[in-house]
Amino acid sequence: KAGVTQTPRYLIKTRGQQVTLSCSPISGHRSVSWYQQTPGQGLQFLFEYFSETQRNKGNFPGRFSGRQFSNSRSEMNVSTLELGDSALYLCASSPLSGGNTGELFFGEGSRLTVL
Amino acid sequence: QQQVKQSPQSLIVQKGGISIINCAYENTAFDYFPWYQQFPGKGPALLIAIRPDVSEKKEGRFTISFNKSAKQFSLHIMDSQPGDSATYFCAASRAGANSKLTFGKGITLSVRP
Repeated sequence: KAGVTQTPRYLIKTRGQQVTLSCSPISGHRSVSWYQQTPGQGLQFLFEYFSETQRNKGNFPGRFSGRQFSNSRSEMNVSTLELGDSALYLCASSPLSGGNTGELFFGEGSRLTVL
Repeated sequence: QQQVKQSPQSLIVQKGGISIINCAYENTAFDYFPWYQQFPGKGPALLIAIRPDVSEKKEGRFTISFNKSAKQFSLHIMDSQPGDSATYFCAASRAGANSKLTFGKGITLSVRP
């Protein structure tokens, strides 16, 4: 079974630009969560989608948005990039929605650098 | 407000020793406590998890100890190996379809040969 696939793996953008990251979950998984990982803050929850509906959202500004398609693939978008948005963005999939329903399967992440 | 706090921030252990990582939480509604392990260049992967109906869970060299009254849980790695060198995250979540998994900031474990 293929794991969670994230694209692109690395990207460099400049301040003010926008970026779209993609995540393909494990086949059969309907929940996709996104996390931002930085050295100082660890893993911070961005949002979760389940069956194309946003189930939960973290404390990030409206510049961060996401969506999920009918095939469970998900995208997240960051508009008007700031230097502080430089981070590793991780996508995780699971069969069920909710944080305590079992294992999250993470992808290897998309490393975003904002110059 | 950080809901899940890990300590220490980093840890160096000799091969064969015991690694102990602690985690404290604030929300008494949390009822699921996993530990994730992350190697450089990889995403985190579930190592072991516990629910509050038991005080200890062991899987191979890895043990979670849970203290509900103190709102703390810890990860013990017995006979630590250089291959255990990684970043370890504790996490917690409450029940409910709209709940989220809240992670600690992570600690870097180095096991010296």
